[in-house]
Amino acid sequence: KQEVTQIPAALSVPEGENLVLNCSFTDSAIYNLQWFRQDPGKGLTSLLLIQSSQREQTSGRLNASLDKSSGRSTLYIAASQPGDSATYLCAVANTNAGKSTFGDGTTLTVKP
Amino acid sequence: ETGVTQSPTHLIKTRGQQVTLRCSSQSGHNTVSWYQQALGQGPQFIFQYYREEENGRGNFPPRFSGLQFPNYSSELNVNALELDDSALYLCASRIGGYNEQFFGPGTRLTVL
Repeated sequence: KQEVTQIPAALSVPEGENLVLNCSFTDSAIYNLQWFRQDPGKGLTSLLLIQSSQREQTSGRLNASLDKSSGRSTLYIAASQPGDSATYLCAVANTNAGKSTFGDGTTLTVKP
Repeated sequence: ETGVTQSPTHLIKTRGQQVTLRCSSQSGHNTVSWYQQALGQGPQFIFQYYREEENGRGNFPPRFSGLQFPNYSSELNVNALELDDSALYLCASRIGGYNEQFFGPGTRLTVL
């Protein structure tokens, strides 16, 4: 059974800081890993999708890496802004069948 | 291109009642998954529909059921509501065979 853990549960940083969010998973036989952002009471916004054959993906100030052998992914956010404040979730799919296992998220607060 | 939409936005029911939640897939997406997200936790996979057939189910009892229609829209039905069913219900759509999921804004269900 796949288990996904995100540490820390909460993070507070000053504006402009570069930061790293962590996601670990127990079953390394994954199909892909997807990072999402969730604002309070809202749905999930897809940030980055990394296929199992890839090592990283980049979009703007975001960079996600994947190390299947160690069961880890990181989401790097450069030059953080108050608008980045949200909960960040990672989701792991072990097959292409659509079922994803989510972590409980890291709640990020960026202070002006 | 329209995104994933869900209705209603909020719903209040009493224990023992039945509820139907609705989801319209993103244009061109033929696969729909439903997730339950309790407060402070990551989403939990309920089930998935592909071409009107359920083809994957998480650890949820049979009182959680669904439908997918020829236009790929979907319903989630929950019978005999319990207090623990209070949660945000999320619908996600994708193109079958590709695993980037796109989520709707969710339906907040409160069971009293």
